[in-house]
Amino acid sequence: DQQVKQNSPSLSVQEGRISILNCDYTNSMFDYFLWYKKYPAEGPTFLISISSIKDKNEDGRFTVFLNKSAKHLSLHIVPSQPGDSAVYFCAASGGRGSQGNLIFGKGTKLSVKP
Amino acid sequence: NAGVMQNPRHLVRRRGQEARLRCSPMKGHSHVYWYRQLPEEGLKFMVYLQKENIIDESGMPKERFSAEFPKEGPSILRIQQVVRGDSAAYFCASSPPSRAYGYTFGSGTRLTVV
Repeated sequence: DQQVKQNSPSLSVQEGRISILNCDYTNSMFDYFLWYKKYPAEGPTFLISISSIKDKNEDGRFTVFLNKSAKHLSLHIVPSQPGDSAVYFCAASGGRGSQGNLIFGKGTKLSVKP
Repeated sequence: NAGVMQNPRHLVRRRGQEARLRCSPMKGHSHVYWYRQLPEEGLKFMVYLQKENIIDESGMPKERFSAEFPKEGPSILRIQQVVRGDSAAYFCASSPPSRAYGYTFGSGTRLTVV
C-alpha cells in the first residue's frame, strides 16, 4: 500500500521553462511534506518543505504547493536549469505511529535540456 | 563540520555472508535513521535510533537484520546471511533532537550480493 505516490517516473523540460513535479498521498494524518533531490551515487539532499497548515512555501526558484482537500502537492521550479536534472523525491511524515520517519514516493527523474 | 559519513561506499558480499554498514552522524546529531532503496524504488524507512536506544524498527525485516547506535562510535546496520534480494543502496540520515524531520542524508552504501 503506497501512501505517497509520484505517478510520473520522468519529466523532460527545456531550460528556462517551468518544471512541475507532482505528488499524491493517501494518509490524511500526514502533517509535514518534504521534497528531496538526488543525484546518482549521492544521498538525497533536502530541498524544501511545507507544513499542512500552509498551502504554499517558496524558496528562490522552488515553490511547493499543498492542496489538502485533494491530498496533492506539487513542486514548481522556475526557471529550470540544466543543473536541476536529478531525481526528485516527495516525502511525508506525521502519520499514526510516526516517530519522525519519512514515507517516500518512488521519485521523478527530471531532465532539463539546454 | 563533516556531513553524515557512511562506509563503505560499495560492499560486495557472497550469499550467506554478513554485511556491516557504518554510519557516523553529523556532529551534534543524536538521532540516526536507516533507509533502503531498492532498484527503481523510493527510499523505504527501516529503523530510527538514538544513542543506545532503538526508537522505531517497524521497517526492519524480522530476520537477519539488526541495527545499533552505541554510546561511542558509529551506528551499525548488520545483515546476516545475505541473499540476492538484499542488494540495494542503504542510506543513513541524522538529525539533531529538535528537528526530527530536518535530517541530512549520507551518500549511502551500495550493497551487492553475488
